[in-house]
Amino acid sequence: GDSVTQMEGPVTLSEEAFLTINCTYTATGYPSLFWYVQYPGEGLQLLLKATKADDKGSNKGFEATYRKETTSFHLEKGSVQVSDSAVYFCAPPNNFNKFYFGSGTKLNVKP
Amino acid sequence: DTGVSQDPRHKITKRGQNVTFRCDPISEHNRLYWYRQTLGQGPEFLTYFQNEAQLEKSRLLSDRFSAERPKGSFSTLEIQRTEQGDSAMYLCASSLAGDGANVLTFGAGSRLTVL
Repeated sequence: GDSVTQMEGPVTLSEEAFLTINCTYTATGYPSLFWYVQYPGEGLQLLLKATKADDKGSNKGFEATYRKETTSFHLEKGSVQVSDSAVYFCAPPNNFNKFYFGSGTKLNVKP
Repeated sequence: DTGVSQDPRHKITKRGQNVTFRCDPISEHNRLYWYRQTLGQGPEFLTYFQNEAQLEKSRLLSDRFSAERPKGSFSTLEIQRTEQGDSAMYLCASSLAGDGANVLTFGAGSRLTVL
C-alpha cells in the first residue's frame, strides 16, 4: 500500500529562519500531493497542494514541488514566523478516497 | 456555511459505556470521512461514506465501532463497550466527489477520554 516518510520533529527555529520539512512517499499511480497543517487547538486544514508532477503548490509563503523522479514533496518557507508554529502533515498519494497522513512534524518558531 | 461541525467536542466516559459522536459536513459535500488521531500521531483513516453508502471501513475499526450516514447528510460514529485504548481525537472530514475529492475539510474533532 501507499506510505509516506516524513521528517521527524520537533523542529525548532528562530523567527525569519529558513524552513524545510522533508516528505517522501511511495505511490502506485499518479497522485496529487498535499500538506495539511494543524495549529494548536484547531483542526487540520489544507495548506497547499500539487496536482501533477513538477507542479508547485504555494500558500502563506510556503511552497512544495511535486518531484516525481525523487518521489518527494518537501515543504519550504523562506522566513518563518512565530505564527507558523504548528504540526505539519504530509498527505501522500490519495488512494482515490482516503488520505494516508504521515506522523506529522511539529514546528516551534521562537521569537 | 459554517464548515464541518462535530459534537461533542469532548466526552469523558467510563470503560464499558457506549458513546456517540455526530458530524455535520459542509452541506454540498457528498463524501464524509472519519479519522482517529492519538497524541503525536497523524490521523488514521477509519471509514468513509459517499452520500449514505459506507464504501470502506478500515481494519482498525473493530466490531464495537459503527458509523452511519442515514440521509447522506450528518453522520454518527458510535463506539460500544468503550476501552481505554479508544481514547483519542475522532476527526470528521468532508469533501466533494470528483475532481475536488482530494481536498478534505476537517472539523475540530471530538476528544474521547475513557477512564
